[in-house]
Amino acid sequence: KNEVEQSPQNLTAQEGEFITINCSYSVGISALHWLQQHPGGGIVSLFMLSSGKKKHGRLIATINIQEKHSSLHITASHPRDSAVYICAVNGISGAGSYQLTFGKGTKLSVIP
Amino acid sequence: EAQVTQNPRYLITVTGKKLTVTCSQNMNHEYMSWYRQDPGLGLRQIYYSMNVEVTDKGDVPEGYKVSRKEKRNFPLILESPSPNQTSLYFCASRIQGGGKNEQFFGPGTRLTVL
Repeated sequence: KNEVEQSPQNLTAQEGEFITINCSYSVGISALHWLQQHPGGGIVSLFMLSSGKKKHGRLIATINIQEKHSSLHITASHPRDSAVYICAVNGISGAGSYQLTFGKGTKLSVIP
Repeated sequence: EAQVTQNPRYLITVTGKKLTVTCSQNMNHEYMSWYRQDPGLGLRQIYYSMNVEVTDKGDVPEGYKVSRKEKRNFPLILESPSPNQTSLYFCASRIQGGGKNEQFFGPGTRLTVL
């Protein structure tokens, strides 16, 4: 079973700062997801990665398959970015590819 | 509008009283899944379904049942709820296979079992 670790658990930043959230996993995967959970509880999928890098607006996600590591970057952070960011991975094959294992999340607070 | 809906959104019940949480998606997705979220434990997968009549256990299936008789619906059944099933529940769906496996989550159901 994959173990997914996120760091840091909590992060407070000043508006405008560059933010990095890290995710590492223990065994091979077919895909990695970054999710955002707002204070109201709803979950939104930000990125799905199997290799390389993806960018959407101020958000950038990278993955290093050899290192079993992914990072989520937020440039020019804003108070509306305050949320819990969750990393999740799909197993590599068979039934595992249908299962999703989650990290415990990183709570980000961006102060004006 | 593409969406996953769950009902009810909030439910308070008592131990042993059977309940069903419904989940429906309008995106013709093959794959659907149920998760529970608990403080300190994060999200954990309960059951998933690859298509109609095909379901399998996730990490924490004990005390839950599911069925997938139609593509759009994937209800979660608690035959005899217990207080340790008090949690926030999410249903999700996605396209099967390929590179397009972004998951779409429902709004969540907050369940309290007394």
